[in-house]
Amino acid sequence: QQPVQSPQAVILREGEDAVINCSSSKALYSVHWYRQKHGEAPVFLMILLKGGEQKGHEKISASFNEKKQQSSLYLTASQLSYSGTYFCGTEVTGGFKTIFGAGTRLFVKA
Amino acid sequence: DVKVTQSSRYLVKRTGEKVFLECVQDMDHENMFWYRQDPGLGLRLIYFSYDVKMKEKGDIPEGYSVSREKKERFSLILESASTNQTSMYLCASSTQGAPQHFGDGTRLSIL
Repeated sequence: QQPVQSPQAVILREGEDAVINCSSSKALYSVHWYRQKHGEAPVFLMILLKGGEQKGHEKISASFNEKKQQSSLYLTASQLSYSGTYFCGTEVTGGFKTIFGAGTRLFVKA
Repeated sequence: DVKVTQSSRYLVKRTGEKVFLECVQDMDHENMFWYRQDPGLGLRLIYFSYDVKMKEKGDIPEGYSVSREKKERFSLILESASTNQTSMYLCASSTQGAPQHFGDGTRLSIL
């Protein structure tokens, strides 16, 4: 079943923070985050395995709460380059069948 | 730099045609994937392969088949193209179960 992402879209000014959520109705083995800019291929950001770990990549970090079957992506001090569509992908069994959310559109303006 | 290359960025075919989409990766990855991307639906897995000549169905395999004769190449075949297969097709490779590196995509239109 497709994970639910929220919000569907968000508009930020440069320097503002944002949180994107990804929720599943099933127990999750892992969560992956991607960013896709218009007309380009998705770019893998990070993977989080069950255990409630938090990961970070510069000003973009994420957490995974396996008890709630949800993950959150945190973008701090947003930059224009952060604009794009963010997808979460979830795995239930640790296999190959990642299921993607519908995406969250993020637009950062100057 | 790592590279996943899809043979065409844009393709127009007619209903009933047999269509081949090619994907090549230069990272020696064992795992390769084919997804289609449609607005509001995200990416949906068509097929994946975890080794040469090995293939597994994804969530929407109907109307598609795949071939992996060499480690670096993973082909998607539309046996008899239909208009509902008009979509963006993305190939990906990975060292893990989830896709890591995507190609630029092929926008396929079936008329």
